[in-house]
Amino acid sequence: ETGVTQSPTHLIKTRGQQVTLRCSSQSGHNTVSWYQQALGQGPQFIFQYYREEENGRGNFPPRFSGLQFPNYSSELNVNALELDDSALYLCASSGFNYGYTFGSGTRLTVV
Amino acid sequence: GQQVMQIPQYQHVQEGEDFTTYCNSSTTLSNIQWYKQRPGGHPVFLIQLVKSGEVKKQKRLTFQFGEAKKNSSLHITATQTTDVGTYFCAGNQGGKLIFGQGTELSVKP
Repeated sequence: ETGVTQSPTHLIKTRGQQVTLRCSSQSGHNTVSWYQQALGQGPQFIFQYYREEENGRGNFPPRFSGLQFPNYSSELNVNALELDDSALYLCASSGFNYGYTFGSGTRLTVV
Repeated sequence: GQQVMQIPQYQHVQEGEDFTTYCNSSTTLSNIQWYKQRPGGHPVFLIQLVKSGEVKKQKRLTFQFGEAKKNSSLHITATQTTDVGTYFCAGNQGGKLIFGQGTELSVKP
């Protein structure tokens, strides 16, 4: 159904570790955004990439970083994991003037 | 920074009753989008409103965008059990979506 795929679906990491989450955008979409969604909350904007460059960032520390590749796939990297980083991480892609298509997310648990 | 507030946080209705969720932004929005997230799922795009005072309908769902482009509402007529989920508004500012906290709708058959 969805054109955006994320991997892995679930992940457990230890505090202090680093994690890389991956996203394949919907065909034709050149903009990708990453969101963090804590339980019972709305998605919080982390950053957005357009044509491989970051063009917007939310209120997240520098240990949250990302990449967008020429094929519009994307990565979210988080260094020095903290317990509060436990959340659902959503990738969303969009084309010009369309709504965002979200992936199913990666459920990250930091222990 | 920009904030988007959404009320109520929860709404429990009997099947067949109407439901409305309200969204308010601290700043003027270029457009507003609405999403539905089923339990355990991901947000699914419903609609985008762009023009001041715009009203759009999708079957039993009616979406409104305020004249000042700072508030919006979603109204569902005669709710069904399939309407269960959390409804989010998201204000678009420079391509960045700022989500409200969502309204969780439960429908009792």
